[in-house]
Amino acid sequence: GAVVSQHPSWVICKSGTSVKIECRSLDFQATTMFWYRQFPKQSLMLMATSNEGSKATYEQGVEKDKFLINHASLTLSTLTVTSAHPEDSSFYICSASPGLAETMRGTQYFGPGTRLLVL
Amino acid sequence: AQRVTQPEKLLSVFKGAPVELKCNYSYSGSPELFWYVQYSRQRLQLLLRHISRESIKGFTADLNKGETSFHLKKPFAQEEDSAMYYCALSFNYGQNFVFGPGTRLSVLP
Repeated sequence: GAVVSQHPSWVICKSGTSVKIECRSLDFQATTMFWYRQFPKQSLMLMATSNEGSKATYEQGVEKDKFLINHASLTLSTLTVTSAHPEDSSFYICSASPGLAETMRGTQYFGPGTRLLVL
Repeated sequence: AQRVTQPEKLLSVFKGAPVELKCNYSYSGSPELFWYVQYSRQRLQLLLRHISRESIKGFTADLNKGETSFHLKKPFAQEEDSAMYYCALSFNYGQNFVFGPGTRLSVLP
């Protein structure tokens, strides 16, 4: 149980285009979803936290107009990288937390990640 | 500011030897601390959390508030323990997470 999927697993796009990444909780309802970014040989950096039905909370330094997050349902969150540039190339990982109590306990189930390459 | 440090990027031990992965944190409130593990070609997964005081796969970690540490220990390392280990700090009722840089553990035969 507690499986999180991401789609696509990898994507190559041209500079200036927008890319949407989906994160789904397959067998549980996720009240909270997290989006991380991971540069090569570096740790995960939290980009934003999204609670179902409300606006995402972005970490300092993360442009909310650049990285649009939508958490429209209890099983789906999307990250859209708008007007992508080569410096946006990275590994994007989502995680989901099943319920408020589990969120408070820090329980997260991670997706497999999406590798984005912007040419 | 909240911060998690893991001083060793790479730690190599022989099979059967004890292993300790160090983690220190900085946080002014009551911390929630975790260890996550990522095996080769797999996604990140929770190994253990301090609040549960449990032992998973032979690993234990004790929160030392005086030293602001949460070191991960195992008395006898196994080859299958080879992986990337991340220490993480959660705060603000689980709405925020800070991950350490990670330590790659290599258990040699």
